[in-house]
Amino acid sequence: AQSVAQPEDQVNVAEGNPLTVKCTYSVSGNPYLFWYVQYPNRGLQFLLKYITGDNLVKGSYGFEAEFNKSQTSFHLKKPSALVSDSALYFCAVRDGNNRLAFGKGNQVVVIP
Amino acid sequence: EPEVTQTPSHQVTQMGQEVILRCVPISNHLYFYWYRQILGQKVEFLVSFYNNEISEKSEIFDDQFSVERPDGSNFTLKIRSTKLEDSAMYFCASSGERGHGNTIYFGEGSWLTVV
Repeated sequence: AQSVAQPEDQVNVAEGNPLTVKCTYSVSGNPYLFWYVQYPNRGLQFLLKYITGDNLVKGSYGFEAEFNKSQTSFHLKKPSALVSDSALYFCAVRDGNNRLAFGKGNQVVVIP
Repeated sequence: EPEVTQTPSHQVTQMGQEVILRCVPISNHLYFYWYRQILGQKVEFLVSFYNNEISEKSEIFDDQFSVERPDGSNFTLKIRSTKLEDSAMYFCASSGERGHGNTIYFGEGSWLTVV
């Protein structure tokens, strides 16, 4: 089965500093990778995905992610974090035809 | 922007009672899903639904669970006899395309508390 790992529980970053949320994957075949964000008391919002092509994927709210095949990673990045980016971030991989397999999530805290 | 809507946002029910969670997927989408998130745990796949039938289900989705698309807009998850361990956030989701690369859009979730 396909899986992703998010090694950190919480990421603390000062407002204005670069933000990185780490994700590594384990798949057989081509990886289809996704990032979602969950704001407090809200649902899962799609940020971006990697299917094929350019290794740098741009998404919503200024986020981007870099696909690295040799390191089996798909880290989420934002050049300058905002306090409003404080949320729970989930990496996910397509597992089979219809399901997503999620990581455990990373709490991001942006400190003013 | 179109979105998946879910009702109720929060429901408290007694153990053994039946619960129905409702969802309105994005209007032109054809694939529907239920996921759940037990507090502090990963988001887990429950079931996918296409063309009025279940296309895939996880080992969590046992005989206590059922899904239905009773009309052209609603998609429901029924839990026949709730257990304490069914307490979780249940997310409805939908997607418009087939294939591994399609994006799945989630609703805001229904918090189910079984007491």
